[in-house]
Amino acid sequence: AQTVTQSQPEMSVQEAETVTLSCTYDTSENNYYLFWYKQPPSRQMILVIRQEAYKQQNATENRFSVNFQKAAKSFSLKISDSQLGDTAMYFCAFMKEGTYKYIFGTGTRLKVLA
Amino acid sequence: DTGVSQNPRHKITKRGQNVTFRCDPISEHNRLYWYRQTLGQGPEFLTYFQNEAQLEKSRLLSDRFSAERPKGSFSTLEIQRTEQGDSAMYLCASSLNSGRGRGNEQFFGPGTRLTVL
Repeated sequence: AQTVTQSQPEMSVQEAETVTLSCTYDTSENNYYLFWYKQPPSRQMILVIRQEAYKQQNATENRFSVNFQKAAKSFSLKISDSQLGDTAMYFCAFMKEGTYKYIFGTGTRLKVLA
Repeated sequence: DTGVSQNPRHKITKRGQNVTFRCDPISEHNRLYWYRQTLGQGPEFLTYFQNEAQLEKSRLLSDRFSAERPKGSFSTLEIQRTEQGDSAMYLCASSLNSGRGRGNEQFFGPGTRLTVL
């Protein structure tokens, strides 16, 4: 069975600084997808960034980028130029190719300080 | 707004009562998912539909839980004889099955928070 581990329950960062959230996963599969979702307080989850395991290039979306290390089964999220609106729970998720369900980690609560 | 909607947003019930939640997915999405999220945890998969067919159910979904998606549009999740352990946020998500790539992204609703007294 696949598992996703987020070892940082809470983090904080000063506005405009850079922060990295960690995620590791365990799987014997070769084809899968990895995601970071953001859940702001009392609001719905939205996708931040996605990585296909078959792609070696790390995904980037504006201020958000990932460091995908397939051999190490690591998928960290880097947020550059942090903004107050980035304050949220961040969930790392795994999806095996051919299935359609996410396996989520326990989340990291990020607080951006003014 | 054409996002995923869920009703009610909050439900308080007494132990032993039945509750039903509704999810309206994004209109062109053919897949619909239910997840449960307890405090301090990430969402856990419960079940999903492709059109009206329920294709997978988690072992978390006990006999007291039933989900339907008549006509492949909205979905309902019913919990019978609620227990205090059922207190959680119930999340619905939808996606468009278009093969590899973007089709795997799920769009989430705001959730229904259930409190069982």
